[in-house]
Amino acid sequence: AQTVTQSQPEMSVQEAETVTLSCTYDTSESDYYLFWYKQPPSRQMILVIRQEAYKQQNATENRFSVNFQKAAKSFSLKISDSQLGDAAMYFCAYIWGGSEKLVFGKGTKLTVNP
Amino acid sequence: DSGVTQTPKHLITATGQRVTLRCSPRSGDLSVYWYQQSLDQGLQFLIQYYNGEERAKGNILERFSAQQFPDLHSELNLSSLELGDSALYFCASSPSGRDQETQYFGPGTRLLVL
Repeated sequence: AQTVTQSQPEMSVQEAETVTLSCTYDTSESDYYLFWYKQPPSRQMILVIRQEAYKQQNATENRFSVNFQKAAKSFSLKISDSQLGDAAMYFCAYIWGGSEKLVFGKGTKLTVNP
Repeated sequence: DSGVTQTPKHLITATGQRVTLRCSPRSGDLSVYWYQQSLDQGLQFLIQYYNGEERAKGNILERFSAQQFPDLHSELNLSSLELGDSALYFCASSPSGRDQETQYFGPGTRLLVL
Protein backbone atom coordinates (compact mmCIF):
# COMPACT_ATOMS: atom_id res chain seq x y z
CA ALA A 1 0.00 0.00 0.00
CA GLN A 2 1.10 3.52 -0.73
CA THR A 3 1.50 5.32 2.58
CA VAL A 4 2.95 8.58 3.81
CA THR A 5 4.18 8.93 7.37
CA GLN A 6 4.81 12.13 9.24
CA SER A 7 6.28 11.07 12.56
CA GLN A 8 6.11 14.48 14.24
CA PRO A 9 2.54 15.43 15.16
CA GLU A 10 3.76 18.78 16.50
CA MET A 11 6.88 20.91 16.17
CA SER A 12 7.84 24.34 17.41
CA VAL A 13 10.47 26.81 16.33
CA GLN A 14 11.64 30.24 17.38
CA GLU A 15 11.08 33.06 14.95
CA ALA A 16 14.08 33.47 12.58
CA GLU A 17 15.33 29.95 13.35
CA THR A 18 15.35 26.89 11.10
CA VAL A 19 13.11 23.87 11.46
CA THR A 20 12.90 20.56 9.60
CA LEU A 21 9.72 18.54 9.21
CA SER A 22 10.05 14.84 8.46
CA CYS A 23 8.19 12.70 5.97
CA THR A 24 8.71 9.14 4.82
CA TYR A 25 6.75 7.26 2.22
CA ASP A 26 6.30 3.69 1.19
CA THR A 27 6.28 2.88 -2.49
CA SER A 28 7.42 0.34 -5.03
CA GLU A 29 7.01 2.83 -7.86
CA SER A 30 9.92 4.49 -9.62
CA ASP A 31 7.92 7.35 -11.12
CA TYR A 32 6.30 9.59 -8.56
CA TYR A 33 5.99 13.12 -7.25
CA LEU A 34 6.16 14.52 -3.74
CA PHE A 35 4.58 17.64 -2.32
CA TRP A 36 4.41 19.69 0.83
CA TYR A 37 1.16 21.55 1.45
CA LYS A 38 0.56 24.11 4.16
CA GLN A 39 -2.80 24.50 5.90
CA PRO A 40 -2.99 27.66 8.03
CA PRO A 41 -5.87 28.32 10.44
CA SER A 42 -7.94 29.54 7.48
CA ARG A 43 -7.97 25.84 6.38
CA GLN A 44 -6.87 26.67 2.84
CA MET A 45 -4.49 24.06 1.39
CA ILE A 46 -1.52 25.91 -0.07
CA LEU A 47 1.23 24.30 -2.11
CA VAL A 48 4.63 24.93 -0.57
CA ILE A 49 6.96 22.88 -2.75
CA ARG A 50 7.08 19.88 -5.07
CA GLN A 51 9.75 17.37 -6.02
CA GLU A 52 9.93 15.01 -8.98
CA ALA A 53 11.41 11.66 -8.02
CA TYR A 54 13.52 11.52 -11.19
CA LYS A 55 15.30 14.74 -10.25
CA GLN A 56 18.35 14.38 -8.06
CA GLN A 57 18.47 18.06 -7.21
CA ASN A 58 16.50 19.06 -4.14
CA ALA A 59 13.71 21.55 -4.77
CA THR A 60 13.89 25.03 -3.27
CA GLU A 61 11.32 27.80 -3.02
CA ASN A 62 12.67 30.87 -1.24
CA ARG A 63 12.95 29.95 2.47
CA PHE A 64 11.60 26.44 1.86
CA SER A 65 13.75 23.56 0.72
CA VAL A 66 13.54 19.81 0.76
CA ASN A 67 15.97 17.02 1.49
CA PHE A 68 14.93 14.24 -0.85
CA GLN A 69 16.58 10.90 -0.11
CA LYS A 70 15.15 8.51 -2.69
CA ALA A 71 16.81 5.36 -1.43
CA ALA A 72 15.64 6.02 2.10
CA LYS A 73 12.20 7.13 0.85
CA SER A 74 12.51 10.29 2.85
CA PHE A 75 11.29 13.78 1.95
CA SER A 76 11.86 16.35 4.68
CA LEU A 77 10.97 20.04 4.53
CA LYS A 78 13.35 22.68 5.85
CA ILE A 79 12.02 26.12 6.68
CA SER A 80 14.72 28.74 7.14
CA ASP A 81 14.31 32.09 8.88
CA SER A 82 10.94 31.00 10.27
CA GLN A 83 8.24 33.63 10.34
CA LEU A 84 5.06 33.90 12.39
CA GLY A 85 3.08 33.38 9.21
CA ASP A 86 4.65 29.96 8.78
CA ALA A 87 2.58 28.64 11.68
CA ALA A 88 0.28 26.02 10.18
CA MET A 89 -0.34 22.33 9.64
CA TYR A 90 2.05 20.93 7.08
CA PHE A 91 1.07 17.92 5.02
CA CYS A 92 3.40 15.74 3.02
CA ALA A 93 1.73 14.19 -0.03
CA TYR A 94 2.67 11.72 -2.73
CA ILE A 95 1.32 10.72 -6.12
CA TRP A 96 2.70 7.98 -8.33
CA GLY A 97 2.83 7.56 -12.06
CA GLY A 98 -0.52 6.56 -13.49
CA SER A 99 -2.40 7.47 -10.34
CA GLU A 100 -4.82 10.32 -10.02
CA LYS A 101 -4.99 10.75 -6.29
CA LEU A 102 -2.74 12.41 -3.78
CA VAL A 103 -1.98 10.35 -0.69
CA PHE A 104 -1.45 12.54 2.37
CA GLY A 105 0.32 12.08 5.66
CA LYS A 106 -1.43 12.92 8.92
CA GLY A 107 0.25 16.30 9.13
CA THR A 108 2.63 18.17 11.44
CA LYS A 109 1.42 21.17 13.38
CA LEU A 110 4.11 23.85 13.36
CA THR A 111 4.11 26.57 16.00
CA VAL A 112 6.35 29.60 15.57
CA ASN A 113 7.27 31.35 18.80
CA PRO A 114 8.07 35.08 18.76
CA ASP B 1 -5.64 32.54 -3.93
CA SER B 2 -5.39 29.32 -5.94
CA GLY B 3 -8.07 30.28 -8.45
CA VAL B 4 -10.29 27.38 -7.40
CA THR B 5 -13.59 28.50 -5.89
CA GLN B 6 -15.95 26.54 -3.69
CA THR B 7 -19.39 27.35 -2.39
CA PRO B 8 -20.75 27.47 0.19
CA LYS B 9 -17.97 28.03 2.71
CA HIS B 10 -20.01 26.63 5.56
CA LEU B 11 -23.00 24.34 5.65
CA ILE B 12 -24.98 23.20 8.66
CA THR B 13 -27.64 20.57 8.17
CA ALA B 14 -29.40 17.71 9.92
CA THR B 15 -28.98 13.97 9.69
CA GLY B 16 -30.84 12.40 6.81
CA GLN B 17 -30.66 15.51 4.67
CA ARG B 18 -29.03 16.04 1.27
CA VAL B 19 -26.60 18.80 0.33
CA THR B 20 -24.73 19.91 -2.78
CA LEU B 21 -21.24 21.34 -2.75
CA ARG B 22 -20.07 23.33 -5.74
CA CYS B 23 -16.59 23.83 -7.20
CA SER B 24 -15.23 25.91 -10.06
CA PRO B 25 -11.74 24.93 -11.23
CA ARG B 26 -8.93 27.28 -12.17
CA SER B 27 -9.30 28.85 -15.58
CA GLY B 28 -8.10 26.36 -18.17
CA ASP B 29 -8.09 23.33 -15.87
CA LEU B 30 -10.07 20.38 -17.14
CA SER B 31 -9.72 18.07 -14.18
CA VAL B 32 -11.41 18.34 -10.80
CA TYR B 33 -10.74 16.30 -7.68
CA TRP B 34 -12.73 16.01 -4.46
CA TYR B 35 -11.12 15.30 -1.09
CA GLN B 36 -12.57 14.89 2.39
CA GLN B 37 -10.69 16.02 5.48
CA SER B 38 -11.94 14.64 8.78
CA LEU B 39 -10.35 14.37 12.19
CA ASP B 40 -10.25 10.60 12.23
CA GLN B 41 -9.52 9.82 8.57
CA GLY B 42 -7.31 12.75 7.63
CA LEU B 43 -7.30 13.87 3.99
CA GLN B 44 -8.80 11.29 1.67
CA PHE B 45 -9.38 11.28 -2.05
CA LEU B 46 -13.00 10.84 -3.06
CA ILE B 47 -13.31 11.16 -6.83
CA GLN B 48 -11.82 12.75 -9.94
CA TYR B 49 -13.41 14.10 -13.10
CA TYR B 50 -11.77 15.05 -16.34
CA ASN B 51 -13.63 17.09 -18.95
CA GLY B 52 -17.00 15.84 -17.77
CA GLU B 53 -16.07 12.19 -17.36
CA GLU B 54 -15.35 10.31 -14.17
CA ARG B 55 -11.72 9.24 -14.22
CA ALA B 56 -10.94 7.82 -10.78
CA LYS B 57 -12.78 6.85 -7.65
CA GLY B 58 -11.42 6.63 -4.15
CA ASN B 59 -13.06 6.07 -0.79
CA ILE B 60 -16.37 7.59 -1.79
CA LEU B 61 -19.51 6.32 -0.11
CA GLU B 62 -22.46 5.17 -2.20
CA ARG B 63 -24.51 7.96 -0.60
CA PHE B 64 -22.15 10.43 -2.27
CA SER B 65 -22.09 11.27 -5.94
CA ALA B 66 -20.47 13.88 -8.13
CA GLN B 67 -20.57 15.24 -11.63
CA GLN B 68 -18.74 17.71 -13.81
CA PHE B 69 -20.73 19.94 -16.10
CA PRO B 70 -19.92 21.19 -19.63
CA ASP B 71 -18.69 24.50 -18.18
CA LEU B 72 -16.28 22.35 -16.09
CA HIS B 73 -17.68 23.22 -12.70
CA SER B 74 -18.31 20.24 -10.47
CA GLU B 75 -20.83 19.37 -7.81
CA LEU B 76 -20.51 16.87 -4.99
CA ASN B 77 -23.84 15.57 -3.74
CA LEU B 78 -24.05 14.10 -0.26
CA SER B 79 -27.29 12.37 0.72
CA SER B 80 -28.75 10.61 3.77
CA LEU B 81 -26.25 12.53 5.80
CA GLU B 82 -24.85 11.07 9.00
CA LEU B 83 -23.01 12.70 11.88
CA GLY B 84 -19.79 11.15 10.63
CA ASP B 85 -20.04 13.02 7.35
CA SER B 86 -19.13 16.23 9.15
CA ALA B 87 -15.85 17.26 7.57
CA LEU B 88 -14.05 19.76 5.40
CA TYR B 89 -14.57 19.00 1.71
CA PHE B 90 -11.95 20.24 -0.70
CA CYS B 91 -12.04 20.56 -4.41
CA ALA B 92 -8.78 20.71 -6.36
CA SER B 93 -8.05 21.18 -10.03
CA SER B 94 -5.26 20.56 -12.50
CA PRO B 95 -4.88 21.15 -16.24
CA SER B 96 -5.32 17.62 -17.56
CA GLY B 97 -5.50 15.35 -14.54
CA ARG B 98 -2.13 13.76 -15.08
CA ASP B 99 -0.10 12.53 -12.13
CA GLN B 100 2.79 14.94 -12.68
CA GLU B 101 0.59 17.99 -12.42
CA THR B 102 0.23 19.95 -9.22
CA GLN B 103 -3.27 19.95 -7.80
CA TYR B 104 -4.40 23.37 -6.62
CA PHE B 105 -6.94 23.38 -3.83
CA GLY B 106 -9.96 25.53 -3.20
CA PRO B 107 -10.77 27.02 0.21
CA GLY B 108 -13.01 24.10 1.15
CA THR B 109 -16.58 23.71 2.34
CA ARG B 110 -17.01 22.98 6.01
CA LEU B 111 -19.98 20.66 6.53
CA LEU B 112 -21.52 20.16 9.95
CA VAL B 113 -24.21 17.52 10.33
CA LEU B 114 -26.27 17.83 13.51
